[in-house]
Amino acid sequence: AQKITQTQPGMFVQEKEAVTLDCTYDTSDQSYGLFWYKQPSSGEMIFLIYQGSYDEQNATEGRYSLNFQKARKSANLVISASQLGDSAMYFCAMRDGGGSTLGRLYFGRGTQLTVWP
Amino acid sequence: DVKVTQSSRYLVKRTGEKVFLECVQDMDHENMFWYRQDPGLGLRLIYFSYDVKMKEKGDIPEGYSVSREKKERFSLILESASTNQTSMYLCASSPTSGGRRGYNEQFFGPGTRLTVL
Repeated sequence: AQKITQTQPGMFVQEKEAVTLDCTYDTSDQSYGLFWYKQPSSGEMIFLIYQGSYDEQNATEGRYSLNFQKARKSANLVISASQLGDSAMYFCAMRDGGGSTLGRLYFGRGTQLTVWP
Repeated sequence: DVKVTQSSRYLVKRTGEKVFLECVQDMDHENMFWYRQDPGLGLRLIYFSYDVKMKEKGDIPEGYSVSREKKERFSLILESASTNQTSMYLCASSPTSGGRRGYNEQFFGPGTRLTVL
């Protein structure tokens, strides 16, 4: 079974609008971490935001926020005030394993976001 | 800033050739990872390493091997390249604990786009 599911292969949003990219995860561990990465057309992976399973507040980093709903096992990325430069592929990822120090991540298949003027 | 470099951005090889993809990181990270990225499939883990001379199979190790003789360098080897190994290959590294913000996030190289003819 997939550990990370991103159900939106593509999303479109108009500049200055907010957009939500969906992510659900599957784990039986109590301790885990959730990540979002951005991959522009140039190919590099850029870390955006992190949410720990024990964090009580939703993570925020500038225009990015993570809508963490633990009971639903969802970790949606919200981008406020979209910009043309936000057009990219977005990946949700999870690290589980509790005390594991290996830090391997499980990635979703990604969502291609297109911001139009 | 963490820097992860990969030996080539683009590589073209013939079927049956032995191919080496090199990855170097400069932040003394213990963990290093090799992924391949294919459209619609996201990032899939090939191999990872948590220490010099240590390696672990990821989700798709078949047809690949790795080498980690020095902490900063992690090599991916295609023993006999095949056309189905045409893909984008991404290297990443992460610390065992904490990291810059305590997230143990992975830092990625720019990727190598490999074409096997």
